[in-house]
Amino acid sequence: NAGVTQTPKFQVLKTGQSMTLQCAQDMNHEYMSWYRQDPGMGLRLIHYSVGAGITDQGEVPNGYNVSRSTTEDFPLRLLSAAPSQTSVYFCASSSPGGPGYGYTFGSGTRLTVV
Amino acid sequence: GEDVEQSLFLSVREGDSSVINCTYTDSSSTYLYWYKQEPGAGLQLLTYIFSNMDMKQDQRLTVLLNKKDKHLSLRIADTQTGDSAIYFCAESITGGGNKLTFGTGTQLKVEL
Repeated sequence: NAGVTQTPKFQVLKTGQSMTLQCAQDMNHEYMSWYRQDPGMGLRLIHYSVGAGITDQGEVPNGYNVSRSTTEDFPLRLLSAAPSQTSVYFCASSSPGGPGYGYTFGSGTRLTVV
Repeated sequence: GEDVEQSLFLSVREGDSSVINCTYTDSSSTYLYWYKQEPGAGLQLLTYIFSNMDMKQDQRLTVLLNKKDKHLSLRIADTQTGDSAIYFCAESITGGGNKLTFGTGTQLKVEL
């Protein structure tokens, strides 16, 4: 049981480049989310999804796109990378019927934009 | 609006108890969580408490919730060096897609 898998683990981009952060879960969870973690700011919600075909914006959505074509996958796309997007990105999934509705997190993608 | 606050650092000696505090502002929170993050890793759910509870105990962990003051605490008994990590409190609201609002995190350092 792999849980939540994120790829890549590390990435360096040049300003203006685009890329996709991959996230896959094998727990048949309906809910998935993307967070970014910055020092002293905790985790902030970028986008989330309550099921295949349904996505919505979180607290800091600008510069990011998501789609949810399957239950398992929830990729995060950076359209034109900026230094302000240097961060650690976490994908998480949850089942609405799970204990306390707590999320299972991936191990993160550390992104540096130069 | 939602705002969750924590102190940034806590240092304790091995064997002592640790108490990590958190305040939140959204009175409609349904669940409140404590997550642990070890260096270079994702977040691990430690425990949670439903908003109609005052206390929850799980082995060395005790969660206290004061709804009147919107104050949540995590007590770790007999703190060990393996407890050194960042601890995040988080809140969620029913019907919000299980969105979590996180605190800034408390760095716990356990000294010998």
